[in-house]
Order: sequence, then C-alpha cells, then structure tokens
Amino acid sequence: GENVEQHPSTLSVQEGDSAVIKCTYSDSASNYFPWYKQELGKRPQLIIDIRSNVGEKKDQRIAVTLNKTAKHFSLHITETQPEDSAVYFCAASIHSGGGADGLTFGKGTHLIIQP
Amino acid sequence: GAVVSQHPSRVICKSGTSVKIECRSLDFQATTMFWYRQFPKQSLMLMATSNEGSKATYEQGVEKDKFLINHASLTLSTLTVTSAHPEDSSFYICSASRGGELFFGEGSRLTVL
Repeated sequence: GENVEQHPSTLSVQEGDSAVIKCTYSDSASNYFPWYKQELGKRPQLIIDIRSNVGEKKDQRIAVTLNKTAKHFSLHITETQPEDSAVYFCAASIHSGGGADGLTFGKGTHLIIQP
Repeated sequence: GAVVSQHPSRVICKSGTSVKIECRSLDFQATTMFWYRQFPKQSLMLMATSNEGSKATYEQGVEKDKFLINHASLTLSTLTVTSAHPEDSSFYICSASRGGELFFGEGSRLTVL
C-alpha cells in the first residue's frame, strides 16, 4: 500500500517568514495530493491540493509543488501569520472518474509561528 | 462546500459497552465513505472504506468484528465500536468524496472508562 513520509514534525518560523513542509510517497499510482490544516480537536480542513498532471499550484500565500519522478511534494506558505499556527498533514491517494480511495496521511507537521 | 456531519461529537462510555457513531452527508449522496482514527498528537489512520449496500473494506490490522460499519443509505454510514476498551479511546473522523474532493465530518471523541 501507499506510504507517506512527512518532514519536519515540528517547524517554528518567525511571523512574516516562509514555511516549507515536505512529503514523499511510495505508490507511483497515486495521483491526488491534498494538504490539510487541523486545529486542536477539530476536523482537517483542505487548504490546497494538486493532481499529478500539474507540477505547481498556488493560492494566495499557499503553494504546492509536485515532482512525480522523485515522488515528492511540498507545501509552501509565505508571509506567515499567527493564525497559520496549526498541524498540517499531507496526504496521497488514487482518484479516478468513479471516485477516490481513502487517503494515506503523513504524520503531520506542527507549525508554530513566532510573533 | 459539501457538508458531512458526525454525531455524537463526544461520547463517554464504560468498558465493555458498545458505541455507535453516525456520519451523514447532508447535501449530497455518498456511495463511499471513509472512517479514520486519530490518537492524540498523531496522524489520521484510515480504518475502513464504507460502501453503500455492501460490506466495508477494512485496512490491515483493523478488526472488522470490533469496528462494525453499516452503510445502509447513500447519506448515512455508521461505525459501532463493540465491547469498547480504554485503548479504543480516540478521535474518530469520517469523510466522503464529492466532485473529487474529500469532506470530513466534525469528528467524534470517544473516551472509554
């Protein structure tokens, strides 16, 4: 089955600086890579996703890059703000026209934004 | 976005009892729903895939007789934790797919005394 590795487990950055979280996956058939933000005790919230036919996607301060050959993808957050503090999870799965397999999650990164 | 709702959000039960958690897709039909478990400060682990009208598919290491899943309609899947023990205490979250995106329920925190 799929195996997703995520690094670092904890990341502390100064407010206004950029944060980068990296993930690798093992199953070359995976074609859908979402990123979730989870605050304590709450459900994961999708912040951005990328499909395997695209190398990069950007949404305001958040961007995701995908390297299919190397089987890794990264989350980039620029101009970090205190409200960005949370746990971030990467995930991978296989999506087809008929639906989606369950997601395999990375272990999570606790992002701390220092004021 | 699509709405997935779970109930109850919190439940405390005695060891040996069974607990049922409901997952509903409120504004769309979901032929497939997924159940995850999350221990404190850990990641979400897929437990099983719930298929409407057929048996659930369980991930390796998840006991199907302990975690009973029923997906009797296109908007409801239930997870029953049977003969619960303290080690089953966890945050259980369901999700459903719509338009290629997965939507999560609020989660249910189970505490077994």
